[in-house]
Amino acid sequence: LAKTTQPISMDSYEGQEVNITCSHNNIATNDYITWYQQFPSQGPRFIIQGYKTKVTNEVASLFIPADRKSSTLSLPRVSLSDTAVYYCLVGNRDDKIIFGKGTRLHILP
Amino acid sequence: KAGVTQTPRYLIKTRGQQVTLSCSPISGHRSVSWYQQTPGQGLQFLFEYFSETQRNKGNFPGRFSGRQFSNSRSEMNVSTLELGDSALYLCASSRASSLNNEQFFGPGTRLTVL
Repeated sequence: LAKTTQPISMDSYEGQEVNITCSHNNIATNDYITWYQQFPSQGPRFIIQGYKTKVTNEVASLFIPADRKSSTLSLPRVSLSDTAVYYCLVGNRDDKIIFGKGTRLHILP
Repeated sequence: KAGVTQTPRYLIKTRGQQVTLSCSPISGHRSVSWYQQTPGQGLQFLFEYFSETQRNKGNFPGRFSGRQFSNSRSEMNVSTLELGDSALYLCASSRASSLNNEQFFGPGTRLTVL
């Protein structure tokens, strides 16, 4: 399973766009990139998943460069309720699932 | 449709006891994964079951075990409890392999070992 590296924490302000980058230098050909969000005392919640280029859904965008050695989760116009821990996962169906420590995002008013 | 349910939600045990936690996945989901979450170690993978077979296992001692039934419901068991087993235990279900499919998490069982 490809190891991932994310910033431990980030601060931003309401209304801003937030970009969280995850490095995964050893990503394998069959690996997908998945992001989860977790609020305190709750289980993680799926945000977005991608394999290459760009994926967009109603809550976020995921940008993946051609070499796939990193990925960037983009949250448009964040609000206080986006304060959470964000996890980047990389792997495929045969892998153990490693969440890591995630990125603690703190949105300020 | 109903989400993932876990029972009990809270549990207090003493060292040396054993505990069984239950997870009911979303209807139609065949994969169930279990995680342990603590402030110090974060969210750690315990094991994944698919169609009653353990597909993957994390780095936990043999005191941690699990099983999955034909209706996809799963249980995990921790024997000879230690203080360090105090944690939030989360269960997640997905249609197939958990890494390539969206996982849906339950509310968790908070276990306290005294």
